[in-house]
Amino acid sequence: AQKVTQAQTEISVVEKEDVTLDCVYETRDTTYYLFWYKQPPSGELVFLIRRNSFDEQNEISGRYSWNFQKSTSSFNFTITASQVVDSAVYFCALNLDTGRRALTFGSGTRLQVQP
Amino acid sequence: NAGVTQTPKFRVLKTGQSMTLLCAQDMNHEYMYWYRQDPGMGLRLIHYSVGEGTTAKGEVPDGYNVSRLKKQNFLLGLESAAPSQTSVYFCASSYPSPGTGTGNYGYTFGSGTRLTVV
Repeated sequence: AQKVTQAQTEISVVEKEDVTLDCVYETRDTTYYLFWYKQPPSGELVFLIRRNSFDEQNEISGRYSWNFQKSTSSFNFTITASQVVDSAVYFCALNLDTGRRALTFGSGTRLQVQP
Repeated sequence: NAGVTQTPKFRVLKTGQSMTLLCAQDMNHEYMYWYRQDPGMGLRLIHYSVGEGTTAKGEVPDGYNVSRLKKQNFLLGLESAAPSQTSVYFCASSYPSPGTGTGNYGYTFGSGTRLTVV
């Protein structure tokens, strides 16, 4: 069975600081997909990124960047120059190429960005 | 508007009461899911469906039943609500996304139902 671990329960930073959210996953499958979602205080889930297991290129989107390393089974998320609007709970998730295709979520990291 | 609609958005139940949560999607997606979200535990899969007329158990199915009589609707039922079922419930549907890999799926989530059992 697959598992996603987000060891950081809560992180607090001051605006403009960089912050990295850690995600470690476990699966025996060779083909899988990794996701990050943002859940702002309003409660909805906002999709941020999806990566395939066979594409280890890092990705940058504005202030967001993702570092995918299969060797350490990690898919870390960095926010550069954090802003108050980044305050949210962030979830890392995994799904497989077969079967029910359901997402397996980590427990989430609550990020608080102080002004 | 296309998407996943959950009803109701809020509900308070007394222990032992029953209710049904409705999830409706108008995107013709085959796969649908029910998750519950509890503090510090992320989202956990309750039940899922890979197509009309089919349902299966997820990680935390006890106390819940589901039905998918029509492709667009996925119902979650609580026959006898318990305080342990106080949670936020999310429905989602999934679809194949363009790109490499046959399993490259995207997900559309509903806005959630906050259920309190007293």
